[in-house]
Amino acid sequence: DIQMTQSPSSLSASVGDRVTITCQASQDISNYLNWYQQKPGKAPKLLIYDASNLETGVPSRFSGSGSGTDFTFTISSLQPEDIATYYCQQYDNLPPERLTFGGGTKVEIK
Amino acid sequence: QITLKESGPTLVKPTQTLTLTCTFSGFSLSTSGVGVGWIRQPPGKALEWLALIYWNDDKRYSPSLKSRLTITKDTSKNQVVLTMTNVDPVDTATYFCAHKGAARLQEYDNWGQGTLVTVSS
Repeated sequence: DIQMTQSPSSLSASVGDRVTITCQASQDISNYLNWYQQKPGKAPKLLIYDASNLETGVPSRFSGSGSGTDFTFTISSLQPEDIATYYCQQYDNLPPERLTFGGGTKVEIK
Repeated sequence: QITLKESGPTLVKPTQTLTLTCTFSGFSLSTSGVGVGWIRQPPGKALEWLALIYWNDDKRYSPSLKSRLTITKDTSKNQVVLTMTNVDPVDTATYFCAHKGAARLQEYDNWGQGTLVTVSS
């Protein structure tokens, strides 16, 4: 099984700060890595797909990078509305196909 | 506009079978490449992928839950049904259904609001 290690599990930053979250896969997953934002009591929202592609309508302060085993999600300038938990999600296309989510990163305002 | 909505019981007893229905609009599950998945989230915990059904009735399951899950579709009703047998209190969670677009690899671009299922005697 491919394991996803997401860090940190939580962080506190000031408005305007640059925020970085990492996700590490236990083996090469190419660019099969997506990022979601989940606000309390809401469904997750797709922000980044295929490691670095910004979903339509998502602000450009969100970005993703990486390939292989190491991936990074960045908020270039944290805004109050970005308070949420962020999840990475990988896709393993080898049998048995499966999706795995990271443990989540809770982002709070300092 | 794509919408999805989960429905089913809010309370289920241990050992019973849980049946959840995802009713959707704005897309067809007979379109090549389209899929509908189920994901759950125990209170205060992370997301867990459960199953996915494709337009061609191909199905994928979480290996750890495969023996307990069945996913089916009714294209004419625009519904996807997830059945989970022998539920346990650890299955208490909010259950989401989500859309995978035809051009998507394995990302979910539209989600239902979720439905909270409590397993308790």
